[in-house]
Amino acid sequence: KAGVTQTPRYLIKTRGQQVTLSCSPISGHRSVSWYQQTPGQGLQFLFEYFSETQRNKGNFPGRFSGRQFSNSRSEMNVSTLELGDSALYLCASSFGLAGAQTGELFFGEGSRLTVL
Amino acid sequence: AQSVTQPDIHITVSEGASLELRCNYSYGATPYLFWYVQSPGQGLQLLLKYFSGDTLVQGIKGFEAEFKRSQSSFNLRKPSVHWSDAAEYFCAFWNYGGSQGNLIFGKGTKLSVKP
Repeated sequence: KAGVTQTPRYLIKTRGQQVTLSCSPISGHRSVSWYQQTPGQGLQFLFEYFSETQRNKGNFPGRFSGRQFSNSRSEMNVSTLELGDSALYLCASSFGLAGAQTGELFFGEGSRLTVL
Repeated sequence: AQSVTQPDIHITVSEGASLELRCNYSYGATPYLFWYVQSPGQGLQLLLKYFSGDTLVQGIKGFEAEFKRSQSSFNLRKPSVHWSDAAEYFCAFWNYGGSQGNLIFGKGTKLSVKP
């Protein structure tokens, strides 16, 4: 069974631009969560989507947004990029709503964003 | 505040030696605990998890971890390290609130293995 797939794997943007990252969960998984990983802050929770609805949100500014489609695929968008947005963005999926479960998430390999 | 502390940023061990990575958590109740591993350029792979019951849990790749409530610890161990174990290891707990939840991660411990 295929794992979590994230695209693109690497991308470079300049300040002020916007970016969209894509995540395809494991087949049958309906929950998609996003995490940001930086050397300074480590791994931080961005948001979780389940059944096309945002169910939980971390402490990030409104420039960070996401959505989920009916096939459970998810996208996250970052507008007006800042240098500090350079990070590895990890997507994770689970069968049910992660918050109602025990937190066992399956992670993709991430999208590495560099902002110049 | 709810948090996970991994006191060792970087550890180097010789191949074949034993390994113990430390993890302490701060949470209001007994949490669900996890250890993940991240190889360079890769995502996170779940090594093992503790939900309840036996405080010594076995995971993949020969790893085990022991939950000690009195010490708020969940240390990861392996009796004999292989060169392929070189990676970064993250301890995490499930921050549960009603129907919502998310993983709270430690800052990670980078493991280097000497031949």
